[in-house]
Amino acid sequence: DAGITQSPRHKVTETGTPVTLRCHQTENHRYMYWYRQDPGHGLRLIHYSYGVKDTDKGEVSDGYSVSRSKTEDFLLTLESATSSQTSVYFCAISQINEQFFGPGTRLTVL
Amino acid sequence: DQQVKQNSPSLSVQEGRISILNCDYTNSMFDYFLWYKKYPAEGPTFLISISSIKDKNEDGRFTVFLNKSAKHLSLHIVPSQPGDSAVYFCAASETDSNYQLIWGAGTKLIIKP
Repeated sequence: DAGITQSPRHKVTETGTPVTLRCHQTENHRYMYWYRQDPGHGLRLIHYSYGVKDTDKGEVSDGYSVSRSKTEDFLLTLESATSSQTSVYFCAISQINEQFFGPGTRLTVL
Repeated sequence: DQQVKQNSPSLSVQEGRISILNCDYTNSMFDYFLWYKKYPAEGPTFLISISSIKDKNEDGRFTVFLNKSAKHLSLHIVPSQPGDSAVYFCAASETDSNYQLIWGAGTKLIIKP
């Protein structure tokens, strides 16, 4: 167990509202990642962080922002949720080459 | 443009037999490859990996083979057990990419009793 939690685990929201997902780790790892998983696409990287206040964009970053003010917390914000952002979101931490994942957040945007 | 491809969306195998999952990649800069297993409503879990300096890595019932000239890797599970039923993802990374992983779309493995 890599000590990664995500909150909330499920959320239903309406189009146009802001949403923040939280990832918390107890492992003190430098690298953290946010992915979304959709059928037929595997996992796609949204944003990642390589240290406190150090973040960079991934493959599908449009409409998302992130913040990392502490080593243990990595927040993903949907600035104005759209139905295309309905997905399962996973947070991961990196231990050298391997990544370890949280349990996921299922987000539904109506 | 998919850099990592898993061309079989699903695979059905008899319990006790060998399961072979395949993965192809296009980026010759990839130098580390991983397999993950995912159950419904859970995050992916790391299974096994291989560096590009090797062509085989074994861990218990799981073996990964890498053919760099063909840009192909495979995961062998012997013998297959009911608990192996899951979605398997192949992923790849290259040095100096901040450990970013590029993922295949996954193969759903079903082990029949």
